[in-house]
Amino acid sequence: DSGVTQTPKHLITATGQRVTLRCSPRSGDLSVYWYQQSLDQGLQFLIQYYNGEERAKGNILERFSAQQFPDLHSELNLSSLELGDSALYFCASSAPDGLEHGYTFGSGTRLTVV
Amino acid sequence: GQQVMQIPQYQHVQEGEDFTTYCNSSTTLSNIQWYKQRPGGHPVFLIQLVKSGEVKKQKRLTFQFGEAKKNSSLHITATQTTDVGTYFCAGRGNYGQNFVFGPGTRLSVLP
Repeated sequence: DSGVTQTPKHLITATGQRVTLRCSPRSGDLSVYWYQQSLDQGLQFLIQYYNGEERAKGNILERFSAQQFPDLHSELNLSSLELGDSALYFCASSAPDGLEHGYTFGSGTRLTVV
Repeated sequence: GQQVMQIPQYQHVQEGEDFTTYCNSSTTLSNIQWYKQRPGGHPVFLIQLVKSGEVKKQKRLTFQFGEAKKNSSLHITATQTTDVGTYFCAGRGNYGQNFVFGPGTRLSVLP
């Protein structure tokens, strides 16, 4: 157990629908990052939040949005889902003093759009 | 923008053979990290390299940062079946905040 909790583990939904993925960072971590990993692909950075504020944006589609709440948990909202959005979505957190010890990843949410 | 590439994409080795994966950046890096993702698992942080020419070892794993800080390598001596997985490098540029991940090298070890 990495300490980063993601729910749900699996999600199957139809095209056009909207889903919400949830992440609780490791205790004490202020930063939350969202990554997308498609089949046999690398990790595509979507967005970062730090203590409730958006800190950095990657290749995140306009149909996707995220937020970090006062208790530091984060949600990634995916709307108007397309078949190509099927992927593993990872949340990661990092220590307040930076990334010297790397990202700590959760176990991911596997999204299947049918 | 910054790009990080890795070769090879796939590597199949016999148990006991050595394995090396290479990571190359389009720009000079301030530091580089390596992660391992087991099949069906999530990426796990292995190590960070910061200094030019730095070499770090973790048991059978040897990590090296190039002199120009644009490339890195991970070498595994005498692979074991427990080494199976995808190895990712992630580099951060001199003015970057976050790390950019390479596409990974998937290692298969045949017993």
